[in-house]
Amino acid sequence: AQRVTQPEKLLSVFKGAPVELKCNYSYSGSPELFWYVQYSRQRLQLLLRHISRESIKGFTADLNKGETSFHLKKPFAQEEDSAMYYCALCAFGNEKLTFGTGTRLTIIP
Amino acid sequence: DAGVIQSPRHEVTEMGQEVTLRCKPISGHDYLFWYRQTMMRGLELLIYFNNNVPIDDSGMPEDRFSAKMPNASFSTLKIQPSEPRDSAVYFCASSLPRVSIEQFFGPGTRLTVL
Repeated sequence: AQRVTQPEKLLSVFKGAPVELKCNYSYSGSPELFWYVQYSRQRLQLLLRHISRESIKGFTADLNKGETSFHLKKPFAQEEDSAMYYCALCAFGNEKLTFGTGTRLTIIP
Repeated sequence: DAGVIQSPRHEVTEMGQEVTLRCKPISGHDYLFWYRQTMMRGLELLIYFNNNVPIDDSGMPEDRFSAKMPNASFSTLKIQPSEPRDSAVYFCASSLPRVSIEQFFGPGTRLTVL
């Protein structure tokens, strides 16, 4: 069975400070990992996926298979980063996403 | 394209009543997903369809929940009878084949069962 753990339900960070949202997973095969974000009054949307190895809105996430982690990072937080963030896992060859419980990030001005 | 459309946006009902939530996926998307979001459990997949056929309904909490997809442009999630613990936000999402192509979410239906 696959599982995604986001240990922090709430995270507050000062503007300009570094941000790290933690995500750990359990899955015996090779997973595909994603971060989804829900801004206030907007739809849940894809932020980034590990296979793309891209930086979106200054955020990056590296898949660490040894630690089974996919933490989301940004060096300098901005107020518009305040949102709900979900880490999600997909088993190889599957279409089903397993989400974590989410972390609500608040950026303090 | 308006994206994934869900109706109603808000639903308040009394315990024991039947509730029907509706979803219109993005045209051309083969996959449709129903999720439930709660504070305690986060976002849980209830069921998903491929080309109108249910593929995995293991997340459906109990027999009171049922979902249908009669055609490529419409799906329903029904709760009968509803209970207060069903109160949550229900999301519908659609995607093209290969989930590494992103899932597109609807605005959600906030259900309150009194």
